[in-house]
Amino acid sequence: DTGVSQDPRHKITKRGQNVTFRCDPISEHNRLYWYRQTLGQGPEFLTYFQNEAQLEKSRLLSDRFSAERPKGSFSTLEIQRTEQGDSAMYLCASTLGYEQYFGPGTRLTVT
Amino acid sequence: AQRVTQPEKLLSVFKGAPVELKCNYSYSGSPELFWYVQYSRQRLQLLLRHISRESIKGFTADLNKGETSFHLKKPFAQEEDSAMYYCALGGSGGYQKVTFGTGTKLQVIP
Repeated sequence: DTGVSQDPRHKITKRGQNVTFRCDPISEHNRLYWYRQTLGQGPEFLTYFQNEAQLEKSRLLSDRFSAERPKGSFSTLEIQRTEQGDSAMYLCASTLGYEQYFGPGTRLTVT
Repeated sequence: AQRVTQPEKLLSVFKGAPVELKCNYSYSGSPELFWYVQYSRQRLQLLLRHISRESIKGFTADLNKGETSFHLKKPFAQEEDSAMYYCALGGSGGYQKVTFGTGTKLQVIP
């Protein structure tokens, strides 16, 4: 197990298209977090799961965003009808306790 | 509402000089505070947690509930300390939503 992995690492899409990102956490970790990070900002909380249950979702997250963690292992984050403002780094982190282990991120560019 | 403020975007210090990265927070419950660090071309990683009261890589941070602060300090900066530092706030136990500050870039000048 080499840590949290994310796929793809980079994604360029046209405005209006749907995109899906995948996160594979460290195998024994029961909690999984998604963050968005734009230039000059810290990671912004989007949502988190405990096992397969989505426990909290940011109020800033529009209905175009949805996340799943179907078997309590990997997770997907889908953005529908992308907008230029969605361009950002999307980070995934997993944890069993308090320390979050981050993935390398997926950089999304919406043209 | 959870809020973390890091007032400095960039802090430049000379090697061997003391470092203090400021962090203030707003939280109505019992906070869990963390410092995360991101070195160039590496992932974000935990540096230290307030409850552990450890010194990691020479850094320490004390939670001051009266001033709602959690400043990160190191007496003598090293070049390898150059990185982005993020203060983060979690709920009780750190098991819930975690809010990050905007980060401070520490630049240690040789």
